[in-house]
Amino acid sequence: AQSVSQHNHHVILSEAASLELGCNYSYGGTVNLFWYVQYPGQHLQLLLKYFSGDPLVKGIKGFEAEFIKSKFSFNLRKPSVQWSDTAEYFCAVNALRDYKLSFGAGTTVTVRA
Amino acid sequence: DGGITQSPKYLFRKEGQNVTLSCEQNLNHDAMYWYRQDPGQGLRLIYYSQIVNDFQKGDIAEGYSVSREKKESFPLTVTSAQKNPTAFYLCASSMDLGTQYFGPGTRLTVL
Repeated sequence: AQSVSQHNHHVILSEAASLELGCNYSYGGTVNLFWYVQYPGQHLQLLLKYFSGDPLVKGIKGFEAEFIKSKFSFNLRKPSVQWSDTAEYFCAVNALRDYKLSFGAGTTVTVRA
Repeated sequence: DGGITQSPKYLFRKEGQNVTLSCEQNLNHDAMYWYRQDPGQGLRLIYYSQIVNDFQKGDIAEGYSVSREKKESFPLTVTSAQKNPTAFYLCASSMDLGTQYFGPGTRLTVL
């Protein structure tokens, strides 16, 4: 079974600062990778995903993530955050052909205006 | 309007009672899932179903039961055997092994 580790529990930033959230997973085989976001009072929604191909993937709202296979990492980045990016962010992984999705513990991001 | 609906939004239950959480989807997805979300622990998989009339245990199935009699519906019963049922419960669905889409959740509180 795979496990997912998110490095930061809570990140506090000012508007226009850059954001990087770490995500590492433990699984030796081929994986699908996801970042989900949960804005206050809203559904959990998909930010971006990686299945195959270009390891740098772009998602909604200016987010991007880079898959580094050798480091088992899938870090999320945004060059300049806005107050509206305040949310909880979850990294998730599943093995290829596996329905079971494993989530990290989540990182709460607070952006101060 | 396509999507996943969960009801009720808030649910209160006395200790020793079973309670059933509803999940309905009109996305024509084959697979459906139930997760439990606790602060600082992310989401943990309770049960999932790949097709109608079939389901598998996830990582924390003890004290829960499910049924999948219709493609659109995947109700979760939290039984009295679940020792710590107070949590936020999320239902999701996917087309085969694709991206999972989530409902708004049900917050269950045991009094």
